[in-house]
Amino acid sequence: DVKVTQSSRYLVKRTGEKVFLECVQDMDHENMFWYRQDPGLGLRLIYFSYDVKMKEKGDIPEGYSVSREKKERFSLILESASTNQTSMYLCASSQDRAPNTGELFFGEGSRLTVL
Amino acid sequence: GNSVTQMEGPVTLSEEAFLTINCTYTATGYPSLFWYVQYPGEGLQLLLKATKADDKGSNKGFEATYRKETTSFHLEKGSVQVSDSAVYFCALPNQAGTALIFGKGTTLSVSS
Repeated sequence: DVKVTQSSRYLVKRTGEKVFLECVQDMDHENMFWYRQDPGLGLRLIYFSYDVKMKEKGDIPEGYSVSREKKERFSLILESASTNQTSMYLCASSQDRAPNTGELFFGEGSRLTVL
Repeated sequence: GNSVTQMEGPVTLSEEAFLTINCTYTATGYPSLFWYVQYPGEGLQLLLKATKADDKGSNKGFEATYRKETTSFHLEKGSVQVSDSAVYFCALPNQAGTALIFGKGTTLSVSS
């Protein structure tokens, strides 16, 4: 069974802390994505990567960075967490280079609260 | 760029009722269209897709037809069950074709 695993389901951090959200996929997929999900706003794309050490900005990259040192792992980094980054973070992967016909596989999400 | 608009929720139905969730899109060309579903406490999963105009995607009793004339991809089910309670997202690729754009989601609640 295909699997995207996000290391933490729930995190509570303080303003200004550095936060790492980890995501691992076991499907040998080329592409990985980070979205945030907020009520009334749906899913918004933060960053994505279509190869090791490659990254592309999504629609809302400000305040975030990413790391992809290995094909299976894609990390989202909040350099200095702020309260407006309180959200549900969803990691996804896909096989196709362009997801026009391919399927995105999602993790269960990481709910981050910044106090 | 490409965009998608879906009806606001929540939608509350009794078991065995008919469901329609509206989705309209704006896009360059004719991209594939998708419906994803998020059950409580879980990540999103693909429900169905259509890759060209007039295609009908179907899965688990749900259907959606890709209509280019009305730029719509409405989700329908003839008889909903309590287990269908979830958040439903309409989606299409961004203009570059590198990632999916999602609608805001529609929460469906089905009671017995």
